Parts: sequence; structure tokens; C-alpha cells
Amino acid sequence: GQNIDQPTEMTATEGAIVQINCTYQTSGFNGLFWYQQHAGEAPTFLSYNVLDGLEEKGRFSSFLSRSKGYSYLLLKELQMKDSASYLCAVTDSNYQLIWGAGTKLIIKP
Amino acid sequence: DTEVTQTPKHLVMGMTNKKSLKCEQHMGHRAMYWYKQKAKKPPELMFVYSYEKLSINESVPSRFSPECPNSSLLNLHLHALQPEDSALYLCASSQDAGAGANVLTFGAGSRLTVL
Repeated sequence: GQNIDQPTEMTATEGAIVQINCTYQTSGFNGLFWYQQHAGEAPTFLSYNVLDGLEEKGRFSSFLSRSKGYSYLLLKELQMKDSASYLCAVTDSNYQLIWGAGTKLIIKP
Repeated sequence: DTEVTQTPKHLVMGMTNKKSLKCEQHMGHRAMYWYKQKAKKPPELMFVYSYEKLSINESVPSRFSPECPNSSLLNLHLHALQPEDSALYLCASSQDAGAGANVLTFGAGSRLTVL
């Protein structure tokens, strides 16, 4: 079966750094996405990785290791507005998007 | 225009009603999607339209009926729904389906309550 695992909930402090991990087991791999979703709102695209390594985009970075079936999203200089759910999703060999259950990130002052 | 617009934002309907959800995008995207999302769960794919043709139907009950009148519009017709169908219904679009770097742009969603 296809499976994506990420922690259910994480808590971090404003101004700090947090790393949200995602491991996947899918039938094939055509890329990994991270989306941010604030409560009651639609998901918004954060990052896409298809090759191994780190992609940096401002305060957010995403890392991929295809051999390990592993990715992480790194958020730096946390702000209160970063409180949201972070969804990891993988495109499989049929180009179907498989979603993780999401990680709820709580930022405390 | 980089938005996907969904109407209505909120909908309350009885189990015998017929209603429709509407979605519009003007980004020239050729793929459009309907997702259903329950609280604290990831989006669940319902339908995919590619070049105005239905390409994926994820075994969705027939009380949900999608329609793609043109490349910019996507509707979801609702009839005889059940209370368990209450959820956030998300429309999304992408450049096309069947590609790895297929970034989805989501609408704000239609929150449906079935009484």
C-alpha cells in the first residue's frame, strides 16, 4: 500500500526553528510537495522537491532523500502566523497525489 | 489572475435538496479537481477533469455529479446527500494532470452542512 507518515502535532516557540519530517512509501515517485493549510482555509503550495537535496525559499526550506523515502520542511524565525497544518504529499508513478495526514504546528510566544 | 474562486462559501442543505457548488479559474489551467476534506484530515480526491474531460472518478457516490462546462468552470451537483457528506469541498486547478511538478492552486472551499 501507499503510505505517508508525518507527526500529528508539534509545538515550537516564536523566533525558533522547527523541522517537520515526512517519510513515504509509494508505488513510484515523481516528486514531493509541502502545502500549508491554516484552519478553515484552503491549502497553499510551499515547496516541491524531485531531486535529492535542499531547496531554500526564504524562511522555509525543504529537503529530500529519495533513497531513504524521507523529506523534511524546515521553518526558521518562526512567526505566530506560521501556526497551521503542514501537509506532505507525494506524486506516485501514476502521477496521483498521495497526501499525508498533516502536521499541526502550534507556535507559542 | 492567480486565483481559484469557489461559490458559495457556506451551504446548508437538507437531504432532499438539490444544490450546486461552483468553481472558476482564469489561469489557463487545463486540469481541475474536486476534493473533499473532513476536519483534521487531508484532502480526499473526488474527481479530476483534464482538458474538460473526466479523467478520474475516485468511486464517488452518484449523489455527487461533476460537470465541466468549459475549461474555466467546474461544477459539483449535489442531490440526496447524507449528513456524513458534510465537509469542506475544495476545488483546485493545475497546468495539467499527469505531470510530476503539478502544483495545485486551491480555491477557498465551500463548507457544506447536510441536515
